[in-house]
Parts: sequence; structure tokens; C-alpha cells
Amino acid sequence: DPKIIQKPKYLVAVTGSEKILICEQYLGHNAMYWYRQSAKKPLEFMFSYSYQKLMDNQTASSRFQPQSSKKNHLDLQITALKPDDSATYFCASSTGVSNERLFFGHGTKLSVL
Amino acid sequence: QQKVQQSPESLSVPEGGMASLNCTSSDRNFQYFWWYRQHSGEGPKALMSIFSDGDKKEGRFTAHLNKASLHVSLHIRDSQPSDSALYFCAASNTGYQNFYFGKGTSLTVIP
Repeated sequence: DPKIIQKPKYLVAVTGSEKILICEQYLGHNAMYWYRQSAKKPLEFMFSYSYQKLMDNQTASSRFQPQSSKKNHLDLQITALKPDDSATYFCASSTGVSNERLFFGHGTKLSVL
Repeated sequence: QQKVQQSPESLSVPEGGMASLNCTSSDRNFQYFWWYRQHSGEGPKALMSIFSDGDKKEGRFTAHLNKASLHVSLHIRDSQPSDSALYFCAASNTGYQNFYFGKGTSLTVIP
């Protein structure tokens, strides 16, 4: 059974629209993250949360907003979508101990037309 | 500038052969390394970490770290077709939870 659930697996959106990517983890972890993977760039760190608090934000655009309603949830809201936002978005989690491994979900592949 | 560089971009080895992957950090603060593997359609999965100088062996996988040059390598002996995947090197700073990933090496093991 997958321990990190991302929904949906595939998502098609039109330019200018808004979407929410869902992530839930059942590993009992305290830290959660969002990464983005596109053809042009390596796996790119976006956000990290620890105990539902934002720890680090490496995303330049305010169009990307993480939302944590519960300790094991970290959703990603993306507004005013652009074709350049097309990528696979991975949610990850860890125990929160420094330098510990990340556990990744299967990703949400977003295509913006 | 990208903090983590990997080489080669792609690599093909015969089944049973040795695969060698390289990674270098351009930031001296990033001294904690992990190797991840990603099969098509899945998320990356951690293989092994290396934080100290020297070699670390886990089964068919051996990682080597040279902190002076910030170079880390991964060697896969007796490569299997199931090892065909994208391999990422990830580096982090002391006390940080965030990892910076390289662009990856695509490994193909030819039966």
C-alpha cells in the first residue's frame, strides 16, 4: 500500500486556471515537502514544512501556495497557471531529523495547455 | 548555479557488469549525500547515504565520498535489468532537511 498518496495522478488545466494538488502521508512523519520535476530542470525543491509550519520556501512565485490542514497533509495550490508550470509535482516526507532520507509519493503530472 | 552536478547523463552497461556514477557538489556547505533511484512512472526512492570520507557498501551498491573534493560516486556491481532507472545524487547542508538534487544519470542495463 502506498504510504504517501498524491491525487490526482494526472491533471490537465488551461492557462490562467487554478488547481490544487493533494498529498497525504501515512508514515507518521513530521516533515513534508514539495518538489517539482520537469524536462528542463532537475528535481527542484519547492517547500518544506515541519509540524505544519513553513520551514523553507525556494519558490519565487506566490502563485504556489502550500496548505497544511493536518499534520499528515500538505496540499499545493497553484493559481494563474502557465504552460511553464507543466511538470510532475512530487510530495515527500521525512522524520524531520536533519539529513534523513526523503520518502516520495508517485507524483502528480500536471499539463497546462 | 546548480549546486549538484552529475555525470554521465546516460550510461549503458551489460547485465552483470559494473556501473559507475559520479556526483560533485559546487557548494562546500553541502557535505551530506544521498543516492536516489527513480523508475519510470514512480517517485524517487532512497538507495543509500554517505556522510563520511571513504567507502560505504550496501549489497551490490558501493558509495564513495571524498569530502576534500566534494566528489561522491556510486558503483553498482553485477548490474541487473531491474537496475535500469534514473539515479539522482542529492546533497544537503548541516542541520537542514532540504535536499538539492542533480539532473540525474539514466542507467540502462542491457540483458
